Amino acid sequence: EAGVAQSPRYKIIEKRQSVAFWCNPISGHATLYWYQQILGQGPKLLIQFQNNGVVDDSQLPKDRFSAERLKGVDSTLKIQPAKLEDSAVYLCASSLGRMKGGVTNYGYTFGSGTRLTVV
Amino acid sequence: GESVGLHLPTLSVQEGDNSIINCAYSNSASDYFIWYKQESGKGPQFIIDIRSNMDKRQGQRVTVLLNKTVKHLSLQIAATQPGDSAVYFCAETPTGFQKLVFGTGTRLLVSP
Repeated sequence: EAGVAQSPRYKIIEKRQSVAFWCNPISGHATLYWYQQILGQGPKLLIQFQNNGVVDDSQLPKDRFSAERLKGVDSTLKIQPAKLEDSAVYLCASSLGRMKGGVTNYGYTFGSGTRLTVV
Repeated sequence: GESVGLHLPTLSVQEGDNSIINCAYSNSASDYFIWYKQESGKGPQFIIDIRSNMDKRQGQRVTVLLNKTVKHLSLQIAATQPGDSAVYFCAETPTGFQKLVFGTGTRLLVSP
């Protein structure tokens, strides 16, 4: 089974520039998540999609961050304009969205992330 | 490459020892807990989970213990190997939600 695909793997931009990350979840996973992981900390949820609808974006800085999941499959996360404190690894994860018999962990799977450095 | 968790608490053990990593969780209503392993440059990888109606669950070389009274989780790794070196995170899911709330990680260093 293919995993969660993310691109690019690394990105370096100057502050005030814009950047976009892409995620392709595991086929059949209804729920998609974007997490921000600052160095030395655990991942923090930014936004959760169920199919193409937003379930939770309470921790998304909406003045500069936006995300979409067109057609309920791939997703993009955008930052415009970037700040120095946005330097982090951006992780995408997907899950079945519900507990199924015999499926551990909701099938929750993380991608390898995009490491963003803002200079 | 740059590592995850340069300033995290660190547990150093010798190969073959048993390791115990502890975690305090925050929400008494959480009903599902997961331990993740994260190696440098990779996303978190599932190790083992436990539901709130259990206090112990065993996997291959790993055991998770849950103490709901004091909101504490622990991960026990038997016969620790150099390949176990990584940062370990616990995560909880608040009742009715699927999002994960991660705790502070612990870096495990295994010496040959």
